Amino acid sequence: NAGVTQTPKFQVLKTGQSMTLQCAQDMNHEYMSWYRQDPGMGLRLIHYSVGAGITDQGEVPNGYNVSRSTTEDFPLRLLSAAPSQTSVYFCASSYSSSLGITEAFFGQGTRLTVV
Amino acid sequence: AQTVTQSQPEMSVQEAETVTLSCTYDTSENNYYLFWYKQPPSRQMILVIRQEAYKQQNATENRFSVNFQKAAKSFSLKISDSQLGDTAMYFCAFNAGNMLTFGGGTRLMVKP
Repeated sequence: NAGVTQTPKFQVLKTGQSMTLQCAQDMNHEYMSWYRQDPGMGLRLIHYSVGAGITDQGEVPNGYNVSRSTTEDFPLRLLSAAPSQTSVYFCASSYSSSLGITEAFFGQGTRLTVV
Repeated sequence: AQTVTQSQPEMSVQEAETVTLSCTYDTSENNYYLFWYKQPPSRQMILVIRQEAYKQQNATENRFSVNFQKAAKSFSLKISDSQLGDTAMYFCAFNAGNMLTFGGGTRLMVKP
């Protein structure tokens, strides 16, 4: 089972460059999300989607764009990379229930360094 | 806004002993989920245990159990018979809708 597939695993960017982190899931989950992980701060939500064509901002959305054209894919775009975006990025997907989203299934993460 | 606090940045335990990781959260919601995730050095996020707030019984998964105190908004994780493979970062997380909120994490070291 592939689960959540996230690429690339490592990336180095120069300040001002743009790039797209890819995320795909094969579990038919309605909900997908992107987090960034920084030391001592846990994981913080960047953007999320409750279904194809629907996206919304999380806690730290500035400098990032997302789209959800299919149930399976949820790419994250960095428009103009800045050193403050150096972080580990995780994509996740979840089922939805009457109480909200259930446990998240995570990709393997992308370590991004902006120099 | 929901917040999740893990007050122990680092902990250590001897192999085969028991350790408890603390987590408190703040919410005005009545129905929600709580989770503990493990992140070993491989960086993979692994679900350890899940608790639904409407369930009074504490969740248990093999050597892992929780002490869920809804009124106190507390959700601690107990690891029994600690093993070297339990060495990892542990994150407490809360969800009452479409946003999963994480604590800052506790780094657990299991010593031989």
